[in-house]
Amino acid sequence: AQSVTQPDIHITVSEGASLELRCNYSYGATPYLFWYVQSPGQGLQLLLKYFSGDTLVQGIKGFEAEFKRSQSSFNLRKPSVHWSDAAEYFCAVGTGTASKLTFGTGTRLQVTL
Amino acid sequence: DTGVSQDPRHKITKRGQNVTFRCDPISEHNRLYWYRQTLGQGPEFLTYFQNEAQLEKSRLLSDRFSAERPKGSFSTLEIQRTEQGDSAMYLCASSSPANRQNIYSYEQYFGPGTRLTVT
Repeated sequence: AQSVTQPDIHITVSEGASLELRCNYSYGATPYLFWYVQSPGQGLQLLLKYFSGDTLVQGIKGFEAEFKRSQSSFNLRKPSVHWSDAAEYFCAVGTGTASKLTFGTGTRLQVTL
Repeated sequence: DTGVSQDPRHKITKRGQNVTFRCDPISEHNRLYWYRQTLGQGPEFLTYFQNEAQLEKSRLLSDRFSAERPKGSFSTLEIQRTEQGDSAMYLCASSSPANRQNIYSYEQYFGPGTRLTVT
């Protein structure tokens, strides 16, 4: 069965600093990988996804992620964080054809001014 | 652009009562998913529909839980004889028709969720 690990429960960065959120997955075949963001009391918004092809994918709000098959990782990055980026970030893996997603436990991002 | 909507947004109920939640997917999406999210955790898959057919159910979906999607449009999730352990955020998501050419069928769009509190 597939699984996702987000090793960092909570990260604090200063506004303007760079950000990297870690995600490792376990799945036997080529995964479909996603990053979602969730603001307090809200649903999840899709930031970006990887299906195939270029391993560096661009998303909304200036986020990008890099798929590294050898490391089973799909880390999320942003070169300069804004205060509005404070939220919970979830990595997810999908398998098969448009089937269920398996999520990590999330990383809470705090941004200090 | 109308997204996924869920009703109610919040529900407080007493243990033992039945509750029902509704989800309206994005109109052209034929797949609909239910997830449950407890505090400090990521969403966990419960079940999904393609049109009106329920294609998969998680072992998390006990016999007190039932989901329907009549006519392949909106869906309802009912919990009978609620327990305090049912307190969670219930999330609904939808995705567009799946075929090999449509990579966007892998994208799930989530609603705002229904927060259930069982007292």
